[in-house]
Amino acid sequence: NAGVMQNPRHLVRRRGQEARLRCSPMKGHSHVYWYRQLPEEGLKFMVYLQKENIIDESGMPKERFSAEFPKEGPSILRIQQVVRGDSAAYFCASSPRSSGTVNTEAFFGQGTRLTVV
Amino acid sequence: SQQGEEDPQALSIQEGENATMNCSYKTSINNLQWYRQNSGRGLVHLILIRSNEREKHSGRLRVTLDTSKKSSSLLITASRAADTASYFCATDEGGGNKLTFGTGTQLKVEL
Repeated sequence: NAGVMQNPRHLVRRRGQEARLRCSPMKGHSHVYWYRQLPEEGLKFMVYLQKENIIDESGMPKERFSAEFPKEGPSILRIQQVVRGDSAAYFCASSPRSSGTVNTEAFFGQGTRLTVV
Repeated sequence: SQQGEEDPQALSIQEGENATMNCSYKTSINNLQWYRQNSGRGLVHLILIRSNEREKHSGRLRVTLDTSKKSSSLLITASRAADTASYFCATDEGGGNKLTFGTGTQLKVEL
């Protein structure tokens, strides 16, 4: 059973370009979470999705950022018109159910390191 | 201020010594989790402790939870160089569907 798969591992974009980050959850997991980690900091929650639904996007910037988790295929975090401040590591996690449930752990991918030049 | 703040920010010890990291949080929780992150890598889940548990063990790891003080500690016994990593605590903010992470403790175990 493969773990959470994220690609690409590293992504370099020029200012103004679009960045697309992909996340395939573990088999059997229907809940996906995206987190952002700035250098020397902890992870900050961005968005929580189930198949075809955004459940909680309270951590998403209001502009340029969007996320989806279609019925088929990976979850996508999309950043339009990237700026240097978007440079960070973006982690995806999946769980079989909401992490608010007792005894549920989230499994993390290796992350995508986005560098905006 | 931020939930899940770790203390100390950085810790350097000799191999074989014990390492203790602390975490404090501010609101009620259902569970608290500890994760390890090696440099430039993803997070690895270490242990989950529920709000009705006070102590939990997993190999060389010992986690305590004091809900009255809203704090948790992670003890790594007989540390090894391979334990060098950043350690984060994360809470579920009283039943929410997202984890809130602290800024982490950077542990360095020297030979």
